[in-house]
Amino acid sequence: DAGVIQSPRHEVTEMGQEVTLRCKPISGHNSLFWYRQTMMRGLELLIYFNNNVPIDDSGMPEDRFSAKMPNASFSTLKIQPSEPRDSAVYFCASFGQGGEKLFFGSGTQLSVL
Amino acid sequence: AQSVTQLGSHVSVSEGALVLLRCNYSSSVPPYLFWYVQYPNQGLQLLLKYTSAATLVKGINGFEAEFKKSETSFHLTKPSAHMSDAAEYFCAVSDLPDSWGKLQFGAGTQVVVTP
Repeated sequence: DAGVIQSPRHEVTEMGQEVTLRCKPISGHNSLFWYRQTMMRGLELLIYFNNNVPIDDSGMPEDRFSAKMPNASFSTLKIQPSEPRDSAVYFCASFGQGGEKLFFGSGTQLSVL
Repeated sequence: AQSVTQLGSHVSVSEGALVLLRCNYSSSVPPYLFWYVQYPNQGLQLLLKYTSAATLVKGINGFEAEFKKSETSFHLTKPSAHMSDAAEYFCAVSDLPDSWGKLQFGAGTQVVVTP
């Protein structure tokens, strides 16, 4: 298996632009998580899905952030409009039913100028 | 709310020496505890987990951790450090057995291994 796949690997954009991060979980996994990592706040859970349904989005910082999971093999995290304080590494992770191990993607390094 | 505290943001060890990374947790219910490792420019990998079975947990790459309820600790150890152990290590807690992925992470400990 190719593991959790995230794209792009790096994203540089200007303040005010829309940013879309993408994630493909491991095939057969039914839970998907979006985490953000910054120096100031460490690793934070933004949102997670079970069977494509958002279960807990309490970590989403504000209305500029939205996430979708239209099917079991794809999820997006969108920021509109982006701000410099959104600069961080965004990780997607997944696990399957009965699994006890969370698999992380390599992350998207986002820089908002 | 569950939380973990990692003592020491940076640890330097000599190759072959003991690695000891400290983690204390706060939880109102029996905790599920994890150690993850992050190598540069990579995602996190699970080293080991405690889920209320044996208190001494063995993980990958020669690491182990001991759950001590009386001390609310879950320290990570490795008897002999290798250069490849240089990475950042995160302790994490989850209180929901049906949501392994909903984790509260510690701030992380950066490990440097010197020859």
